[in-house]
Amino acid sequence: KAGVTQTPRYLIKTRGQQVTLSCSPISGHRSVSWYQQTPGQGLQFLFEYFSETQRNKGNFPGRFSGRQFSNSRSEMNVSTLELGDSALYLCASSPGQTFSGELFFGEGSRLTVL
Amino acid sequence: QQQVKQSPQSLIVQKGGISIINCAYENTAFDYFPWYQQFPGKGPALLIAIRPDVSEKKEGRFTISFNKSAKQFSLHIMDSQPGDSATYFCAASISGATNKLIFGTGTLLAVQP
Repeated sequence: KAGVTQTPRYLIKTRGQQVTLSCSPISGHRSVSWYQQTPGQGLQFLFEYFSETQRNKGNFPGRFSGRQFSNSRSEMNVSTLELGDSALYLCASSPGQTFSGELFFGEGSRLTVL
Repeated sequence: QQQVKQSPQSLIVQKGGISIINCAYENTAFDYFPWYQQFPGKGPALLIAIRPDVSEKKEGRFTISFNKSAKQFSLHIMDSQPGDSATYFCAASISGATNKLIFGTGTLLAVQP
C-alpha cells in the first residue's frame, strides 16, 4: 500500500509569491491534516479536512488555506509568502471520521522563501 | 493551555545507555499521548502511545511513563542503539471527531557507538 505522497518535495520561492502544495493520502484514508515544521517550533497544526470539509484550523493567518477534493487528495496554498514561511510542510492522513490513534505522515514539502 | 512542553532539546547518549525525554501539558482534556519518531528526510512515524488510564506502557525497548496528577509523561529508551538516533516528538490530543495533535518542540537524540 502506497504511503502519503507529497509534491513537490523541494521548492524555492521569493517573498510575495504564492505556493501550492499537494498531498495524496493513503488509499482509503479520508482525513488529511497539514502541519508546519520549523526548528525550535516543532510541528504546528495548520488545518484538517474530512470529506472535503475543513473541520479544524490552527492559529495561522488567512494567507494559509487549503482544500480537499472528492478523492481525498488535498492541497494547501500560501499566498504573499514571507521569509518566516520557510519550513517543512507535512501532510498526514488518517482513515476515518473519528481519530484512529495514528497519523500517517508524508515526507514533506520543503519550502524556502528568499 | 494547548501547549505541550518538551525537554531536553537535544540529548547525547552512549550506546547501551538509557535515553529519557520528558513532556508536560496543561489541558486536562487531553486523553491520548503519542510519541513520534522522525529520521532525517522522512516524516514522523508513530512510535508508541498511551492513554491516561494506565501509568506505563512498554513496547520492546520503548516505555512511556505517565503521571496524570503531575500532567507529565516521558519516553524511556532502554539499551539505546545508534539506529535510535532521530528526532522524537511527544504529542497530545482530545479524542473525538478530529485528528488534531498538539506536538512538543522535539528532541534530537544522538546515540554514540
